[in-house]
Amino acid sequence: ELKVEQNPLFLSMQEGKNYTIYCNYSTTSDRLYWYRQDPGKSLESLFVLLSNGAVKQEGRLMASLDTKARLSTLHITAAVHDLSATYFCAVDNAGGTSYGKLTFGQGTILTVHP
Amino acid sequence: DADVTQTPRNRITKTGKRIMLECSQTKGHDRMYWYRQDPGLGLQLIYYSFDVKDINKGEISDGYSVSRQAQAKFSLSLESAIPNQTALYFCATSDRRMGSNQPQHFGDGTRLSIL
Repeated sequence: ELKVEQNPLFLSMQEGKNYTIYCNYSTTSDRLYWYRQDPGKSLESLFVLLSNGAVKQEGRLMASLDTKARLSTLHITAAVHDLSATYFCAVDNAGGTSYGKLTFGQGTILTVHP
Repeated sequence: DADVTQTPRNRITKTGKRIMLECSQTKGHDRMYWYRQDPGLGLQLIYYSFDVKDINKGEISDGYSVSRQAQAKFSLSLESAIPNQTALYFCATSDRRMGSNQPQHFGDGTRLSIL
């Protein structure tokens, strides 16, 4: 059974600081997704990582995937208040034509304050 | 208009009642999913459907049933609601033709409270 664990679960950051959210998963997969959720809202896709060594960047966020270590990171650079949200990683744990069945991490609640 | 529409957006009901949550999509995707979100647990997959005739149980299907009435519609039912089914429910879609290059697309959620 695939397990996906994020840490930290709660992250309080000062504006301008850098930090990394970690996503570990327990079985082989080379498809990992990061989502953002604002309070009371739906999930918004941030990144799709599809191979070992994949790195994607958008603004102050950068995501990477190490399939050998079964680890993805979401790095935040020079945080701003607008990044306050809950961040989820999700791993696709089916292969072949059955891909599309995601297992989510618990989520990391990020709060950025002055 | 939203690509993935969930109705109702909010629902309060009593223990033992039958409830149906509906999801419709205009994206033309063949795959649809129902998730439940509880604080601190992330999203858990309830049921998923890869096409109209292919419906599968997810991690937490007990107490739930689904119906895929058409490619664009996927309903979730709670036959006899219980308080621990109080949660935020999300419907999502994806397109097999796009492969895993595209993420799942989520509706706005249904907040369900069972008293």
